[in-house]
Amino acid sequence: ETGVTQTPRHLVMGMTNKKSLKCEQHLGHNAMYWYKQSAKKPLELMFVYSLEERVENNSVPSRFSPECPNSSHLFLHLHTLQPEDSALYLCASSQDSDRNQPQHFGDGTRLSIL
Amino acid sequence: TQLLEQSPQFLSIQEGENLTVYCNSSSVFSSLQWYRQEPGEGPVLLVTVVTGGEVKKLNRLTFQFGDARKDSSLHITAAQPGDTGLYLCAGDESNYQLIWGAGTKLIIKP
Repeated sequence: ETGVTQTPRHLVMGMTNKKSLKCEQHLGHNAMYWYKQSAKKPLELMFVYSLEERVENNSVPSRFSPECPNSSHLFLHLHTLQPEDSALYLCASSQDSDRNQPQHFGDGTRLSIL
Repeated sequence: TQLLEQSPQFLSIQEGENLTVYCNSSSVFSSLQWYRQEPGEGPVLLVTVVTGGEVKKLNRLTFQFGDARKDSSLHITAAQPGDTGLYLCAGDESNYQLIWGAGTKLIIKP
């Protein structure tokens, strides 16, 4: 039990589909993150939310749309994805958005784009 | 582009052997974190090092932060199959979010 829960664990979708990834944290943290993890590459930070406000957006294509309705929930809405978007998408949370704060990760959603 | 290089990329050894993996950069970090990611799971924080020259021990794992705070190493003594996983380092550099390495994939064979 990591305290950060991601659903679904696996997702296969076509390029024209619309789907959403969900993340929920039970740790009382104020910051939440979306990362993309591809094999043999460093974790790519996509979005950072602090107290439900987006504080970082690392030039992510608009086909990825985040939503943070409250400090416990984070969504990543997907539409018109490309094959190169296939990866493991990790959600994380931390007490606040300071870089030295340890991050607590969910187990990820394995996304495959057909 | 800020880089944090981890070496080796892949390491497969027998149970009971010792090993060291490295995390190197040209940047100076105010702190550096080590995570382990097991197959099918997310990364889990092992340790944070903050002071140049600092050594931290976690059971059979010894973490060292370089004197100049540009590099770090992880030494595992008497490796066990439970040590298998992807070891990631992440550095806190003043102008960026955490900078992540690509990881060392470690397999310990029984």
